[in-house]
Amino acid sequence: DAKTTQPPSMDCAEGRAANLPCNHSTISGNEYVYWYRQIHSQGPQYIIHGLKNNETNEMASLIITEDRKSSTLILPHATLRDTAVYYCIVRARRGSQGNLIFGKGTKLSVKP
Amino acid sequence: EAGVTQSPTHLIKTRGQQATLRCSPISGHTSVYWYQQALGLGLQFLLWYDEGEERNRGNFPPRFSGRQFPNYSSELNVNALELEDSALYLCASSFWEANTEAFFGQGTRLTVV
Repeated sequence: DAKTTQPPSMDCAEGRAANLPCNHSTISGNEYVYWYRQIHSQGPQYIIHGLKNNETNEMASLIITEDRKSSTLILPHATLRDTAVYYCIVRARRGSQGNLIFGKGTKLSVKP
Repeated sequence: EAGVTQSPTHLIKTRGQQATLRCSPISGHTSVYWYQQALGLGLQFLLWYDEGEERNRGNFPPRFSGRQFPNYSSELNVNALELEDSALYLCASSFWEANTEAFFGQGTRLTVV
């Protein structure tokens, strides 16, 4: 079972920041937080991941709370092409739980 | 650099037949993951292979099986196909270490008629 909880859907205005929350209250010390998105039945696209520090790349920023029980994915300037289902996943550092277990995700709709 | 490639793109089979799906990982990646996504549903984890061995298996019947070859490519076999097996089958690859991202292919659309 997925170890994360996400809102089922969110709307965002084009050009504004999209903030997608994720709860992972049972995360353990050897687990990373990963974000993927899937656009209309294409293969999921990797966005970003982190352990405990905030991370930023060309696509997004990941803010992880100090207790690591929740995180927020930030798309700084959402465009219509960012409309997708966004998945927050916790993944063990190694061992038999190293595979990615997807939950239901958040369907983000970016509107003009 | 080539991404994860899957073949065929589409596959139509008759109920009771066998289907074989193939995945070529990104060069250097040793782990291959298989997922099933039925229409309108989420991604269900099927199998994980690394270094030729099955590392983990999702909650699927034994007629879903696979293998990983010495060049790290992988096959997913589905025996005794049922109509409910119609889905998008996705393959992903990564390095063994969890602190690396897994990249997905574009999938094989299997239709069972």
